[in-house]
Amino acid sequence: QKEVEQDPGPLSVPEGAIVSLNCTYSNSAFQYFMWYRQYSRKGPELLMYTYSSGNKEDGRFTAQVDKSSKYISLFIRDSQPSDSATYLCAMKTQGGSEKLVFGKGMKLTVNP
Amino acid sequence: NAGVTQTPKFRVLKTGQSMTLLCAQDMNHEYMYWYRQDPGMGLRLIHYSVGEGTTAKGEVPDGYNVSRLKKQNFLLGLESAAPSQTSVYFCASIKTGDYYGYTFGSGTRLTVV
Repeated sequence: QKEVEQDPGPLSVPEGAIVSLNCTYSNSAFQYFMWYRQYSRKGPELLMYTYSSGNKEDGRFTAQVDKSSKYISLFIRDSQPSDSATYLCAMKTQGGSEKLVFGKGMKLTVNP
Repeated sequence: NAGVTQTPKFRVLKTGQSMTLLCAQDMNHEYMYWYRQDPGMGLRLIHYSVGEGTTAKGEVPDGYNVSRLKKQNFLLGLESAAPSQTSVYFCASIKTGDYYGYTFGSGTRLTVV
């Protein structure tokens, strides 16, 4: 079992839809959780981050962490064509050389 | 502009050839990482460094070597390239005490034929 599992999709939605992206993990020592957005032929860029459990909202984006279920989510409201990208979840433990462990990435297409 | 610069951006190698990928950062970050990204596999850690003169193996280190002789540079070497090393390689860095501020380069697309 990989440490981080993410459905690679792809996912195609109409403009304005609510998008839900999810990852599960097996290492209970993970404490820092991140979502990266990667446009085609570009490097990943940090989109959202949370520490331990809870929710965090930034504009149309909401990140949730449920440590009891080892489950994290990213919600995108009122999705736009510009949101079309690959979304990768990433997480790490306290210390541990700050190594990030990534999910496989979900390719999202938002159709006008 | 400050950031992580990877060179070259593209390269085609023949099986058995060697090459070095360069990652340079000008943010005085202590930690640096090399990842490879393959379709359906996400980003997998090859090697990393926690400071000048240090290196360590990641998840998929076989066939690669690294060196960090200067704090700002992290080199990834392929001694004898194989088709299985066809991939997109990303370098990333972060400073000590910063939990989330990883900066990624724009990638090197390597094809081994």
